[in-house]
Amino acid sequence: ILNVEQSPQSLHVQEGDSTNFTCSFPSSNFYALHWYRWETAKSPEALFVMTLNGDEKKKGRISATLNTKEGYSYLYIKGSQPEDSATYLCAFTPDAGNMLTFGGGTRLMVKP
Amino acid sequence: EAQVTQNPRYLITVTGKKLTVTCSQNMNHEYMSWYRQDPGLGLRQIYYSMNVEVTDKGDVPEGYKVSRKEKRNFPLILESPSPNQTSLYFCASSSGNGYTEAFFGQGTRLTVV
Repeated sequence: ILNVEQSPQSLHVQEGDSTNFTCSFPSSNFYALHWYRWETAKSPEALFVMTLNGDEKKKGRISATLNTKEGYSYLYIKGSQPEDSATYLCAFTPDAGNMLTFGGGTRLMVKP
Repeated sequence: EAQVTQNPRYLITVTGKKLTVTCSQNMNHEYMSWYRQDPGLGLRQIYYSMNVEVTDKGDVPEGYKVSRKEKRNFPLILESPSPNQTSLYFCASSSGNGYTEAFFGQGTRLTVV
């Protein structure tokens, strides 16, 4: 079983704050790293799929970076809004079979 | 509309009574999988299938069965449910390589009493 860890487990921020959280994964074999956003009572939705060391992806106020050599990815949210409140999941796969191993998630709560 | 459809969304059942949770996708995806989500544990993979008639165990397969007779459907079968299978279940599909995102169903909240 692959070890994928996310930190922190939960995070409370004020509206307008910028925040970031971490996903750590095994650096020995790397194929792809996924980020998903999961709102309560909905299904997880993909934010980014990252494949190359040094990759940076951006979607609106959300961006992500990837370091495959040291085995981590950061997700950044600039100017958090209440609608950003969700659990953010990362998932790692070491090969092309797409068997994703998920981290435990970071639950973000943005207060108005 | 591209989607993964799970049924039922909610289910309360008794220990030992066989049940099936259905999953269907309309994107012609080769790869489908089942996950369970428990508090503090993230999503754990139960079974996955890389194509019709090809299935394999994930990290937590005990107590579950699956079948993949058609590309679009991937039902999850609990032959004799037990209370420790009370969980939130998600079905997901993707085109079959790690570079493409997974699409998730709406989830099935199962309670076994």
